[in-house]
Amino acid sequence: DQQVKQNSPSLSVQEGRISILNCDYTNSMFDYFLWYKKYPAEGPTFLISISSIKDKNEDGRFTVFLNKSAKHLSLHIVPSQPGDSAVYFCATSYDKVIFGPGTSLSVIP
Amino acid sequence: EAGVAQSPRYKIIEKRQSVAFWCNPISGHATLYWYQQILGQGPKLLIQFQNNGVVDDSQLPKDRFSAERLKGVDSTLKIQPAKLEDSAVYLCASSLFAGPANTGELFFGEGSRLTVL
Repeated sequence: DQQVKQNSPSLSVQEGRISILNCDYTNSMFDYFLWYKKYPAEGPTFLISISSIKDKNEDGRFTVFLNKSAKHLSLHIVPSQPGDSAVYFCATSYDKVIFGPGTSLSVIP
Repeated sequence: EAGVAQSPRYKIIEKRQSVAFWCNPISGHATLYWYQQILGQGPKLLIQFQNNGVVDDSQLPKDRFSAERLKGVDSTLKIQPAKLEDSAVYLCASSLFAGPANTGELFFGEGSRLTVL
């Protein structure tokens, strides 16, 4: 059963525009929600997180929004840069960290 | 600060052979994880250690996979015998905390890519 879903396998955005990556989850018990970024041939790296008691967290160009009633979170990247091209994994944490299938973002110069 | 170290980076074996992967976590990190990432999918947790005890191994195929964490520091993951469907990247990660104090921030190694022919 997929507890964390990312329904868009890929996304293409023009440099300078906003990238919006979406994630849905099923378990209301999750404490933290995270986004990881992965470049080819490297391990995932932590990008940004949000506690279940908040609805927004911002870090520079990256903002994560949490909608608990809809069990939905999103990652906004503004402005998008070519170096942001990577696979982005949504993840949730309760007693263990569960990852979604990922969305491959391409930022076109 | 040194990151999570893994070896080997790449391994090619034939089915029914055995393979072992090694991981050295970040110094002081109590929790160590092994994830399996099949191409096109997200990382799937195989086993989670806290110090040298197993916290979760519910998704580890125990008939062929085994893992240990010696003295609560480095860890090995073994597959014997390997199947074609074991072809994947095996990611090791560590975190400072586990359980309720774990915010989910994991530090990953570069991974070990296994190809089973």
